[in-house]
Amino acid sequence: DTGVSQNPRHKITKRGQNVTFRCDPISEHNRLYWYRQTLGQGPEFLTYFQNEAQLEKSRLLSDRFSAERPKGSFSTLEIQRTEQGDSAMYLCASSDYREINQPQHFGDGTRLSIL
Amino acid sequence: AQSVTQLGSHVSVSEGALVLLRCNYSSSVPPYLFWYVQYPNQGLQLLLKYTTGATLVKGINGFEAEFKKSETSFHLTKPSAHMSDAAEYFCAVSLGSYIPTFGRGTSLIVHP
Repeated sequence: DTGVSQNPRHKITKRGQNVTFRCDPISEHNRLYWYRQTLGQGPEFLTYFQNEAQLEKSRLLSDRFSAERPKGSFSTLEIQRTEQGDSAMYLCASSDYREINQPQHFGDGTRLSIL
Repeated sequence: AQSVTQLGSHVSVSEGALVLLRCNYSSSVPPYLFWYVQYPNQGLQLLLKYTTGATLVKGINGFEAEFKKSETSFHLTKPSAHMSDAAEYFCAVSLGSYIPTFGRGTSLIVHP
């Protein structure tokens, strides 16, 4: 169990640029989640995959955000035309549907800073 | 609908003192409840979880929490704080939809 891996750990970009983050979940986990966390807040749900299917998206998720999990393994989260308000920590988590209550295992996140 | 309220954004204790972090939830059905810990620049780590059955749940690092349905609470405790316990703690509730709702977090400060 190598844990959930996220890359890059930090991303600094200018407003208006596109950014893409990657998440590699625990290998046997079929569920993958993306969250956004801002200072002083808990994680806010963005979207969730079961295998390669994106099953739920938050109503708060702007059209500028898109996520994929093409082969049911790693996932990418892309933000187009970044805005100042996108600055946050983006967390990925995975879980095994066979595990009772499916506690989520989190990566260390990607911290995005918009200049 | 589900929601979580963590009372107190900061809790300060002396090393060796009792730790009590408060969490109240709102749920229309029996919930699943979780406590997570987050150290600076890291992701969240599961401390403990409540499913069904025993209402007193023991977790890692000496933490435990008690589910009290009548009070809709799931407070986190530890008998004796260590310096290494200083971190951000999050309570979360799930109604089995696989997507938990997290509280705003409580920062635990431990003084020597």
